[in-house]
Amino acid sequence: DIVMTQSPDSLAVSLGERATINCKSSQNVLHSSNNKNYLAWYQQKPGQPPNLLFYWASIRESGVPDRFSGSGSGTDFNLTISSLQAEDVAAYFCQQYYSTPRSFGQGTKLEIK
Amino acid sequence: QVQLVQSGAEVKKPGSSVKVSCKASGGTFINYTVSWVRQAPGQGLEWMGGIIPIFRIVNYVQKLQGRVTITTDESTSAVYMELSSLRSDDTAMYYCARERSMITMGKDAFDIWGQGTVVTVSS
Repeated sequence: DIVMTQSPDSLAVSLGERATINCKSSQNVLHSSNNKNYLAWYQQKPGQPPNLLFYWASIRESGVPDRFSGSGSGTDFNLTISSLQAEDVAAYFCQQYYSTPRSFGQGTKLEIK
Repeated sequence: QVQLVQSGAEVKKPGSSVKVSCKASGGTFINYTVSWVRQAPGQGLEWMGGIIPIFRIVNYVQKLQGRVTITTDESTSAVYMELSSLRSDDTAMYYCARERSMITMGKDAFDIWGQGTVVTVSS
């Protein structure tokens, strides 16, 4: 099974500053047949289900602000918010869909400093 | 736009079973993989299993094998998750989630989620 590990567990960033969350997978999630990373990022606000931000590691879902970006390949991935806004306070999860069982990172709680 | 609508909150005794439904509104998920994901209070997300409705192919996470059953009813456009031998640590929010692409396109991320169903296990 693929284990997903995020860092840090929590992060406090000032409004307007950059926030970066790292996600590492225990196995490669880059599929050689199509050169795609089977990695997604989700944002979850309190009392709501998760909301898809990125798929294929870096493809932004429709409606996601462009201050959010996803990067990385293989086993090492980042989610970056270039200029933190108040509405970005949430928990963020990475998830691999390369293999079954699907697995999520433990989550990163992002707060305002 | 497809929405997934889940059944209401449940309170169960330890050792009993619970069955949660997830119905597609405004579309279908017959050709899409639908998974169940749970989240214990204040905790992360745990994938429980998934089903490809058109083929009735099901996969479960090892730790729940034998206790979880995922089924589908095409006539009602619903997917069901039944969890048996409930314990206190099964207390969680349970979500259904649909993958972005039809099964013919391969595996994908979850782009549509149900609103969640709270299951509380307490004596």
